[in-house]
Amino acid sequence: AQSVTQPDIHITVSEGASLELRCNYSYGATPYLFWYVQSPGQGLQLLLKYFSGDTLVQGIKGFEAEFKRSQSSFNLRKPSVHWSDAAEYFCAVGKGGATNKLIFGTGTLLAVQP
Amino acid sequence: GAVVSQHPSWVICKSGTSVKIECRSLDFQATTMFWYRQFPKQSLMLMATSNEGSKATYEQGVEKDKFLINHASLTLSTLTVTSAHPEDSSFYICSASGGTSNQPQHFGDGTRLSIL
Repeated sequence: AQSVTQPDIHITVSEGASLELRCNYSYGATPYLFWYVQSPGQGLQLLLKYFSGDTLVQGIKGFEAEFKRSQSSFNLRKPSVHWSDAAEYFCAVGKGGATNKLIFGTGTLLAVQP
Repeated sequence: GAVVSQHPSWVICKSGTSVKIECRSLDFQATTMFWYRQFPKQSLMLMATSNEGSKATYEQGVEKDKFLINHASLTLSTLTVTSAHPEDSSFYICSASGGTSNQPQHFGDGTRLSIL
């Protein structure tokens, strides 16, 4: 069965420090992978996606993620965190295509210390 | 681009009433729209998938008579929570996707539903 695991429920980093949010997936075929960010009381904003090609993908707001097939991982990174990055981050996997549904991880809540 | 508008953002109503939530794709045609439910501090749970002009496909455990979904046009889908009760209180989020492959889902800002 398809599944997504985000091992870290809550992470706190200092402003300016680097960040890595972990995501592992279980999928029987080549997955389509996504990272979304959610601010309190709002919907989800797409940070980046991986469909194929270069395994290091660049997203908005200075985020990047690397697809590692051997580790079934798609970790999200940012070299220097800003206070405005505090939010909930969700990793998701899908089969691709407009009509295919996404399976979401449980999310990682990021807190940023001044 | 790829803006999805969801309305209302917050609604409070009495138990037993029906509530309609709208989801609109403002700058693209959404052949497929998805409805999610999110409980506090939890992830999104897919409720149903709707394709324009077709009946929605509901996930297991979701009552189709309770949560009526209509997707009558390429830019509008509605979710109606019928005879709402306090246990239906939740955060409902819609997303929309274009008709070609490799199109990600774009999400609305969600609707906070509180049933008294």
